Amino acid sequence: DGGITQSPKYLFRKEGQNVTLSCEQNLNHDAMYWYRQDPGQGLRLIYYSQIVNDFQKGDIAEGYSVSREKKESFPLTVTSAQKNPTAFYLCASRDRGRVDTQYFGPGTRLTVL
Amino acid sequence: GQQVMQIPQYQHVQEGEDFTTYCNSSTTLSNIQWYKQRPGGHPVFLIQLVKSGEVKKQKRLTFQFGEAKKNSSLHITATQTTDVGTYFCADQNSGTYKYIFGTGTRLKVLA
Repeated sequence: DGGITQSPKYLFRKEGQNVTLSCEQNLNHDAMYWYRQDPGQGLRLIYYSQIVNDFQKGDIAEGYSVSREKKESFPLTVTSAQKNPTAFYLCASRDRGRVDTQYFGPGTRLTVL
Repeated sequence: GQQVMQIPQYQHVQEGEDFTTYCNSSTTLSNIQWYKQRPGGHPVFLIQLVKSGEVKKQKRLTFQFGEAKKNSSLHITATQTTDVGTYFCADQNSGTYKYIFGTGTRLKVLA
């Protein structure tokens, strides 16, 4: 089965704790992305990676960190510096085939108590 | 920076009525993509428009790209309950790896 997986689907953490969200893809895509979605809002770009061992900040990178050690994996860490971390987090990868498009994972809903 | 706005923000229609969402950019769009996100789900790619004035159809869905490449629209004919969700446009910037998503239009279809 090809696709993008994110785990867990729901995540609860106490305020002040760092938490890492996983994102794995077996689509052999080079580029991967992390977005944040708040209720009733659009998607805002946190970080993106064009290739292994390289990543760039998106529009709302403060309080987040990422790594890209493997092509298949692009984990996102939500640090305690993120003022309002409760949100729906979506990971995506980019297919630069005949139609350049993004494939999204199922998302992780993070709630910080 | 570039802003991509969609109107309306919400739309409730009776089943069988038509629906249109508009996507407007503060700058010229590179390529416009449309995605659908079902409630509780994740965005799914619908279509990409590349050329000025381009019109594409997928069954009851009609997508248009403005002549000046600063706006786009999605029109659904005779909505069905399966059309419920949020529709996003996104500018796929040809010069970077970034996508700029619109604010989305949430569609509710009343049976």
